[in-house]
Amino acid sequence: QVQLQESGPGLVKPSETLSLTCTVSGYSISNGYVWGWIRQPPGKGLEWIGTIHHSGSTYYNPSLKSRVTISVDTSKNQFSLNLSSVSAADTAVYYCARSGVLVAEKYFHHWGQGTLVTVSS
Amino acid sequence: EIVLTQSPGTLSLSPGERATLSCRASQSVSSIYLAWYQQKPGQAPRLLIYGASSRATGIPDRFSGSGSGTDFTLTISRLEPEDFAVYYCQQYGISRTFGQGTKVEIK
Repeated sequence: QVQLQESGPGLVKPSETLSLTCTVSGYSISNGYVWGWIRQPPGKGLEWIGTIHHSGSTYYNPSLKSRVTISVDTSKNQFSLNLSSVSAADTAVYYCARSGVLVAEKYFHHWGQGTLVTVSS
Repeated sequence: EIVLTQSPGTLSLSPGERATLSCRASQSVSSIYLAWYQQKPGQAPRLLIYGASSRATGIPDRFSGSGSGTDFTLTISRLEPEDFAVYYCQQYGISRTFGQGTKVEIK
């Protein structure tokens, strides 16, 4: 059974870069699927941040594209999120998740438990 | 960007009642690219429905999805106590976007 676990600092200063890692167990990232990040500000809805194919191809939310980098490290079975120049508006629970490769399968069927990141000085 | 608008914002119902949740898209979405998720407080979202009407593994048959074009519906035939939660629709045909959610609360 695949499991995903987010990790990283819970507090980031304004203007700095938010960095999170998702560690996958029970499945080898290099075998396939698409891996993504979704966030949820406190008390609000879900926002897709971006996804990365196991081959390394990336797709980002246009509204965040200029600040987002998602990368994959198959040797560690992890993928990562970097979000630069953060502000209080980036305070959210950040989830990592897995989706299918084909367009018809790009729903998120496995999720991590989420990690709260607060942007504050 | 395809905007998904969910209604109502909050649905107040009693256990055993039928819940009907709406998701309207700003432009046509192929029905195979529409999903529904359930989220309980402090938990990650859980996939309920994909392809507008296919139940995910382990999802009870009281949950059903329907719709096409710009109008989609999630129906819970008889609410169980564990069904009171927030529900989100998502389209994944053009990029990915989520609706703002509908909260189903106990009346």
